[in-house]
Amino acid sequence: ILNVEQSPQSLHVQEGDSTNFTCSFPSSNFYALHWYRWETAKSPEALFVMTLNGDEKKKGRISATLNTKEGYSYLYIKGSQPEDSATYLCASINAGNNRKLIWGLGTSLAVNP
Amino acid sequence: DAGITQSPRYKITETGRQVTLMCHQTWSHSYMFWYRQDLGHGLRLIYYSAAADITDKGEVPDGYVVSRSKTENFPLTLESATRSQTSVYFCASSRTGGSYGYTFGSGTRLTVV
Repeated sequence: ILNVEQSPQSLHVQEGDSTNFTCSFPSSNFYALHWYRWETAKSPEALFVMTLNGDEKKKGRISATLNTKEGYSYLYIKGSQPEDSATYLCASINAGNNRKLIWGLGTSLAVNP
Repeated sequence: DAGITQSPRYKITETGRQVTLMCHQTWSHSYMFWYRQDLGHGLRLIYYSAAADITDKGEVPDGYVVSRSKTENFPLTLESATRSQTSVYFCASSRTGGSYGYTFGSGTRLTVV
């Protein structure tokens, strides 16, 4: 069974700070890595899907990188805003696991104004 | 409006009763999923479907039944509800098994008393 781990578990930053989180996943038979943003009382929303080693994706102030050889992905938020407060989930798919996402427990980000 | 709709949003039922949670998507996505979200566990896959009439178990299928006679609908039935099935249930859909992001419904909060 795959094990996806995210760190830190929670993070409190001030408005304007830049921050980053880590997602670790087993690198063998890697297929894809997903990042989601989950605001309180809402449902998860897809940010990025990454498949290639060295991939970098960007959406506004949020970007992500992927290292499939060592099994990690970083999510960066530049100049955090209070509206960035959410839980950020990553999930990976192993090619031999019937293409089912295995989810991390998330990093909870609180941005103080 | 196109999207993925879950119903009901909230449900209280008694132990032993059968209850069905509905999920409807308008994109003709091939894949559909049912997750439950519990504190400390993150998202856990109950069942998924790769296409109409094709379903498969996830991590926690016991006590649940699914069907998918039409591409757009994926109901989840609790055959005899137990208190341990009190949870928030999310339905999701995706064009493929993992190279595209998942789109989630708004969730159903189920309480079994």
